Amino acid sequence: GAVVSQHPSRVICKSGTSVKIECRSLDFQATTMFWYRQFPKQSLMLMATSNEGSKATYEQGVEKDKFLINHASLTLSTLTVTSAHPEDSSFYICSARDLGGKRTYNEQFFGPGTRLTVL
Amino acid sequence: KQEVTQIPAALSVPEGENLVLNCSFTDSAIYNLQWFRQDPGKGLTSLLLIQSSQREQTSGRLNASLDKSSGRSTLYIAASQPGDSATYLCAPKEGNTPLVFGKGTRLSVIA
Repeated sequence: GAVVSQHPSRVICKSGTSVKIECRSLDFQATTMFWYRQFPKQSLMLMATSNEGSKATYEQGVEKDKFLINHASLTLSTLTVTSAHPEDSSFYICSARDLGGKRTYNEQFFGPGTRLTVL
Repeated sequence: KQEVTQIPAALSVPEGENLVLNCSFTDSAIYNLQWFRQDPGKGLTSLLLIQSSQREQTSGRLNASLDKSSGRSTLYIAASQPGDSATYLCAPKEGNTPLVFGKGTRLSVIA
């Protein structure tokens, strides 16, 4: 299967700072990437859909000015949590879709996640 | 909007038992359905993907079935092992829309 990486895997920051999380598709091109958030013992909730070269589409209730998404290339999307607060502490998981692979067409592949802790 | 329900929410079984995890979804017009495994604090591992035209998919001790018309899927785990302990998530996929997840079933297999 295709590989998606995330960096960093874990980050601890002070309240009020900004944190950037990178998501990369390593062996395929992803025109679309998705960002999910998961609170303890809860399911994955979609935050936004990121399309290469255009603005991200945010789900209802997700603040686009707080969670900045940039998808500048076919293999990289970034999520920046601006002015982070303790309630932003969560597990952030990215996913990339391979529209070019014959075997994996339209399948979503997931990164290993980033654990954000805001003090 | 697609809604996914997984039953039971938690399950504890002795090692060696066969077990069934259930998933139901409200919109049956799906493209495919995936079952994932998630270990505590980790990302998702894809277990099985069933296309809408398929009724079953098997991988080792895992067998997933899909009844698209009734909006149901089951994951059967044979001869469970302690290493199977994890949260299992199902996610139906509609066209080009992103995957929608249930809350999962937390499985604990006791040696």
